[in-house]
Amino acid sequence: EPEVTQTPSHQVTQMGQEVILRCVPISNHLYFYWYRQILGQKVEFLVSFYNNEISEKSEIFDDQFSVERPDGSNFTLKIRSTKLEDSAMYFCASTGQGPSSYEQYFGPGTRLTVT
Amino acid sequence: AQKITQTQPGMFVQEKEAVTLDCTYDTSDQSYGLFWYKQPSSGEMIFLIYQGSYDEQNATEGRYSLNFQKARKSANLVISASQLGDSAMYFCAMKWPLNRDDKIIFGKGTRLHILP
Repeated sequence: EPEVTQTPSHQVTQMGQEVILRCVPISNHLYFYWYRQILGQKVEFLVSFYNNEISEKSEIFDDQFSVERPDGSNFTLKIRSTKLEDSAMYFCASTGQGPSSYEQYFGPGTRLTVT
Repeated sequence: AQKITQTQPGMFVQEKEAVTLDCTYDTSDQSYGLFWYKQPSSGEMIFLIYQGSYDEQNATEGRYSLNFQKARKSANLVISASQLGDSAMYFCAMKWPLNRDDKIIFGKGTRLHILP
């Protein structure tokens, strides 16, 4: 069964460093999302992406964040200068077209630890 | 503002019993979608079930069913014949309006413990 994949599963970085989180959405999906979950808290929306541009972003998604679809398969989230409060689980999700197209399928997540 | 409320922070249920996890939502939109996700201790988010606001029948997926009461704005998840592997965090979520590129908003979750 097709699934969303994410790499790495865990990333440790120092404050101020840049990180790139990678996602491979389900192959025929067209809508992509990033969410984050701070430990013990609920899942929060960061950004949605369609047709090579951002559809919507939350107030969390400030100038330190960017997204890109560099090729036909990858979808990346870049944090330019990480802060301690960026430590969280980051989930990529995708949605396709067709009868079940409102369902968002999540990847396994990347746990980001900023020290 | 639209929001999702899960009033049960934690539940303990005996194995093989049925479980109902509560979810209420608030929206003025007529077109919206409701979701339930399961998050085991390993951390991944597993899609369980979806209900559209215009769907007249309650959604079912195997042991999962969604008890959709539109007038009450509730979307409870029912798990029949619970198993030890059902122990996890469960999130109710909503998408509005129902466009494909719109975000999902999550509730705070209910932690379910299945007792042997």
